[in-house]
Amino acid sequence: DIVMTQSPTSMSISVGDRVTMNCKASQNVGSNVDWYQQKTGQSPKLLIYKASNRYTGVPDRFTGSGSGTDFTFTISNMQAEDLAVYYCMQSNSYPYTFGAGTKLELK
Amino acid sequence: QVQLQQSGAELAKPGTSVKLSCKASGYTFTSYYIYWVKQRPGQGLEWIGYIYPGNGGTYYSEKFKGKATFTADTSSSTAYMLLGSLTPEDSAYYFCARRGVGTLGFAYWGQGTLVTVSS
Repeated sequence: DIVMTQSPTSMSISVGDRVTMNCKASQNVGSNVDWYQQKTGQSPKLLIYKASNRYTGVPDRFTGSGSGTDFTFTISNMQAEDLAVYYCMQSNSYPYTFGAGTKLELK
Repeated sequence: QVQLQQSGAELAKPGTSVKLSCKASGYTFTSYYIYWVKQRPGQGLEWIGYIYPGNGGTYYSEKFKGKATFTADTSSSTAYMLLGSLTPEDSAYYFCARRGVGTLGFAYWGQGTLVTVSS
């Protein structure tokens, strides 16, 4: 199985900050990485698909980049409503696998 | 609009089975895979596998082979996951999900079903 190593595990941030997190795949997954946001008590929500494509209705402060084995997710201007856990997932080959998540907390 | 409505919380004893449901609406049920994801409370997401209602084809992550069994009833547009031989480690939220149109990402999710395994 492909292992998705996500970092950091958590971040203490302030509103307005630029937030960057990473996912490293254990083998080449092309551009087949998605990013999800999960708020407490809710189902995950798709933000980015195929590494860099913003899903319908997702604010443009959320961006994704990368290909091959290294992927980056950025929130350019952190808002209070962005407090959540963020997960990457590779959809290049079965079984799909998730990163362990990055939890954003207020400083 | 696309909706995935999951069944309610389950409390089960070790060694028994539970059958979770995911009722789809707002689209042609047989045209999209239904994926299942596990999340233990306070933990990360774990991909279980999928069923394709169009032909009943299934795929299971190795870890869940023998644990989970997927079925689908096209007459009611409902996907099911049977979890057998339950242990406390099966206590978790279970989500069903579907891809969006033109994307590999899981754009649609059910609200999740909490399974609690306790004697």
